[in-house]
Order: sequence, then C-alpha cells, then structure tokens
Amino acid sequence: ETGVTQTPRHLVMGMTNKKSLKCEQHLGHNAMYWYKQSAKKPLELMFVYSLEERVENNSVPSRFSPECPNSSHLFLHLHTLQPEDSALYLCASSQDNRQGGYTFGSGTRLTVV
Amino acid sequence: GNSVTQMEGPVTLSEEAFLTINCTYTATGYPSLFWYVQYPGEGLQLLLKATKADDKGSNKGFEATYRKETTSFHLEKGSVQVSDSAVYFCALLNNAGNMLTFGGGTRLMVKP
Repeated sequence: ETGVTQTPRHLVMGMTNKKSLKCEQHLGHNAMYWYKQSAKKPLELMFVYSLEERVENNSVPSRFSPECPNSSHLFLHLHTLQPEDSALYLCASSQDNRQGGYTFGSGTRLTVV
Repeated sequence: GNSVTQMEGPVTLSEEAFLTINCTYTATGYPSLFWYVQYPGEGLQLLLKATKADDKGSNKGFEATYRKETTSFHLEKGSVQVSDSAVYFCALLNNAGNMLTFGGGTRLMVKP
C-alpha cells in the first residue's frame, strides 16, 4: 500500500465504451497527476491538478477527460478510445514543494480492443 | 526546458556485481533529483533523492550524488541482488516543485 490507490487494476474496453479510472490518496497532498506509460516510450505527463485546479494539460486528446472533485480524488474519464491508447495509466500525488517526491499508485493496465 | 537523459538498457549483471546507471540532466535553477524504481506489474516507488548540490541520496544499498558541475546523478550499488531486477527512472523536479520530468528508464536484469 503506497498511500495512492488506483482502481481498477486492469480494464479491457471496446472503442465505443465509456469508462472511468479512479485514484485516491490519503497522504494530505495538494497536487495530483495522471501519467501514461506505454511500452518502449518515456513516461508521459497527461494532467496536473494543484489545489483541485487543472494547471497542466499536455495536449492530451479530448477523449481523455480528467476530473478532480477534491484534493483526495482524481478521475480519468475515457470515451471512444483507440487501440493505441492501451497503456499503463499511473496516478501520483505530491505536496507542492521541492522536498518531496511523488507518490505513485500501482496503475491501471488499460487494453482497448 | 528541463530534460533527463539516462543510459539505455537493458543492463544485465550477475549477482553481487557492481552497478552504475548513468543519469544527466538539463535544467534551469536548482532542481531536486530523484531515482524511482518500478518492479514488474507495479507503479513507481521513490528510491532516493537529493535536493541540493553535493547531497548524496541513499537507500537499500543504492547511492547517488548530486553533481552540479557535471549535471549528473548516477545511481550506484556495490553488490546487486536478483531482487533488484526492475526498471529504474531518474527524475528532476523543477524549482517550483510542481513538474517532475523523467528519463526514459533503464531496465536492470540481475542473474543468479
């Protein structure tokens, strides 16, 4: 248990489905992040939320829609994905300062069929 | 912008061998530096960190020293174990503390 919990651990969805990934942290952190990890590619930062406000959106397609209802929860809503979106989606949280690192969840392994 | 470059893997070693994984960075200001480890099927775990020049981070026998003059943060371990097999990521946190930039990761395979 790392303090950041992601559900589900595995998800298989069709290209016309709508699903959501959930992330929860109980560390008192004030920032949360979504990363995408694909095979043979560097980690890609998708979204950053600081104090529940989105502060970064790295040109992510609109079929990915984040939501941060409070400082402990982060969602990634998925809609009409493509097979190339299959990847490990990692959530992380941090306290917005230079001292701490990020705490990562175990990820959701997404397969789009 | 900030960037992190680490040696490409895989790195294959025998048990008890000495490990070095090179990491260099490009950044403005005074970033903090980190090493993360990812075991199969899991997320990333913080391994060690250093927040200013000449600091040495250490954990579980791993060490890395923040070298500002060479902009490097190489990871070392004197004697690796099979259980150290994983992917290792070097990372840089910007001055504001809100942007963590990762290197491409280096896979380490340790054989008995």
